[in-house]
Amino acid sequence: ETGVTQSPTHLIKTRGQQVTLRCSSQSGHNTVSWYQQALGQGPQFIFQYYREEENGRGNFPPRFSGLQFPNYSSELNVNALELDDSALYLCASSMHGETQYFGPGTRLLVL
Amino acid sequence: GESVGLHLPTLSVQEGDNSIINCAYSNSASDYFIWYKQESGKGPQFIIDIRSNMDKRQGQRVTVLLNKTVKHLSLQIAATQPGDSAVYFCAENIGGAGTASKLTFGTGTRLQVTL
Repeated sequence: ETGVTQSPTHLIKTRGQQVTLRCSSQSGHNTVSWYQQALGQGPQFIFQYYREEENGRGNFPPRFSGLQFPNYSSELNVNALELDDSALYLCASSMHGETQYFGPGTRLLVL
Repeated sequence: GESVGLHLPTLSVQEGDNSIINCAYSNSASDYFIWYKQESGKGPQFIIDIRSNMDKRQGQRVTVLLNKTVKHLSLQIAATQPGDSAVYFCAENIGGAGTASKLTFGTGTRLQVTL
């Protein structure tokens, strides 16, 4: 176990809705990165948060946004959900620039 | 749990044999590489990493080899066990060692261990 936790484990939404996913980082880690993993593919980098600021972003539209809190936990928010947003959402915690350790993920299904 | 890697390349090995999983990476500027193991229904699990100033690194039952000339990475698992069955991903760090890292993952290889 990595000590990284995510909630919820699963959820179902409909197109156009908004969703918030949560991640608690491993004790002592100050950086959280979020990834989207579609079925049968490798994870794709969404963005990273360090010291409560976005610190790098992948090729995802602005409707994907996030937050990092003073205790280093993080949220991923997705607005105006689309069917293609259905995926496993993974967060990874690390010390800044060091090895990333992943949580179990949140499985999102958009209908 | 959900299935990971429904249509991935598959490597089938017998229990006790050695496994070699290969990965071609894309960015010659990448300087840090990681292998992750992902079991069905779980997040990726760190196995071993290597920096670009090395060409080989060994862990417990695992060895990673890096060939920067041809941008190739391999993971060797000695004495493969049923618990090694999973999807294996290589990932490269484009951000630069010691800085913010954005991992780019390969497509993955499914390892099936037969008894």
